Amino acid sequence: EAGVTQFPSHSVIEKGQTVTLRCDPISGHDNLYWYRRVMGKEIKFLLHFVKESKQDESGMPNNRFLAERTGGTYSTLKVQPAELEDSGVYFCASSQVWTSNNEQFFGPGTRLTVL
Amino acid sequence: SQKIEQNSEALNIQEGKTATLTCNYTNYSPAYLQWYRQDPGRGPVFLLLIRENEKEKRKERLKVTFDTTLKQSLFHITASQPADSATYLCALDMIKAAGNKLTFGGGTRVLVKP
Repeated sequence: EAGVTQFPSHSVIEKGQTVTLRCDPISGHDNLYWYRRVMGKEIKFLLHFVKESKQDESGMPNNRFLAERTGGTYSTLKVQPAELEDSGVYFCASSQVWTSNNEQFFGPGTRLTVL
Repeated sequence: SQKIEQNSEALNIQEGKTATLTCNYTNYSPAYLQWYRQDPGRGPVFLLLIRENEKEKRKERLKVTFDTTLKQSLFHITASQPADSATYLCALDMIKAAGNKLTFGGGTRVLVKP
């Protein structure tokens, strides 16, 4: 079974540009999460989808970030316009709606560098 | 807001010894406390979960304890092997329901020397 995949693995852009990150969760996982780790800090929650609905977006830093999950399958996270402080590793995770332990399966992450 | 403290200093141990990592939190106790392993360039991988009403959980060479009075979890790797070298993260899940955000600690890097 394929795990969570993320694309691209790395992205280097200039301040002010737009970047779109993609996440493909494990098939059948209705929960999809976005997290971010900036340099030297802990992994922090951004938002949570259940199918195509945003369940919790309390971690989104500002309105330059837009996440979508059309059709309840893959998700995209767009940063527009990118700022220097957006640099970091963006992780996507997925999990089943009904699970006894809320284990989350993480993708390898997208490393974003904003110059 | 909830704060989680893990020893930021790397833990260097000899192969065969037991590694013990700590995870301390403030404020309310979580419904679940999870431990993940992260290797360089990869995402976290789930290892173990312990519930608020459980004191101890084991899985193969791993053991987790949870003390809600001390607001602390301990993670033990017994008979450590060089392959256990990685960063270990504790994560809090505050709600007793499937599908919730996790609050992570900064992680502790473990290096097992042959």
